[in-house]
Amino acid sequence: AQSVTQLGSHVSVSEGALVLLRCNYSSSVPPYLFWYVQYPNQGLQLLLKYTSAATLVKGINGFEAEFKKSETSFHLTKPSAHMSDAAEYFCAVITASGGSYIPTFGRGTSLIVHP
Amino acid sequence: GAGVSQSPRYKVAKRGQDVALRCDPISGHVSLFWYQQALGQGPEFLTYFQNEAQLDKSGLPSDRFFAERPEGSVSTLKIQRTQQEDSAVYLCASSSPGGYTFGSGTRLTVV
Repeated sequence: AQSVTQLGSHVSVSEGALVLLRCNYSSSVPPYLFWYVQYPNQGLQLLLKYTSAATLVKGINGFEAEFKKSETSFHLTKPSAHMSDAAEYFCAVITASGGSYIPTFGRGTSLIVHP
Repeated sequence: GAGVSQSPRYKVAKRGQDVALRCDPISGHVSLFWYQQALGQGPEFLTYFQNEAQLDKSGLPSDRFFAERPEGSVSTLKIQRTQQEDSAVYLCASSSPGGYTFGSGTRLTVV
């Protein structure tokens, strides 16, 4: 079964600094991978997704992620953090189950942005 | 509607009480998912529907949990005899070929 591991439950950066949130996947087949963001008391919002096209995927709010098969990684980056980026971030992989495709999530990384 | 709507947004239940959580998916979305998100954790899969058929319920934690989608649109997640460990946010999502859309969730607190 496919799974994802997010390294670091909390990441703290200064405003304007590089953001790097780590995600490693485990999959026996080429995976579909996603990053979602969750603001307090809200649902999950899709940031970006990898579906075996370009390995560098650009998403909303200036975020991007690079699929690296050799490292089984799909890390999320943003060149310059804004205060508004403070939220919970989840990496997800699609698990195939009887012909349907079910997102399986990591435990999440809380991004803290200091002024 | 424009998004996935869940109600109620908040629910406080006394231990042992039955609760029902509602999900209105995006119109026309065939697939519907329920997830449980405990505090500080990622969403955990509960069950999945394709139209009215429940194709996967492997994530339901006990037989106190029951979900239905009788007409292939609105879905209800029912929890019988609630326990404190059921306290969590319950998220619903619907999907199209373009992707998955999540509702804002129902926060259930069992006291």
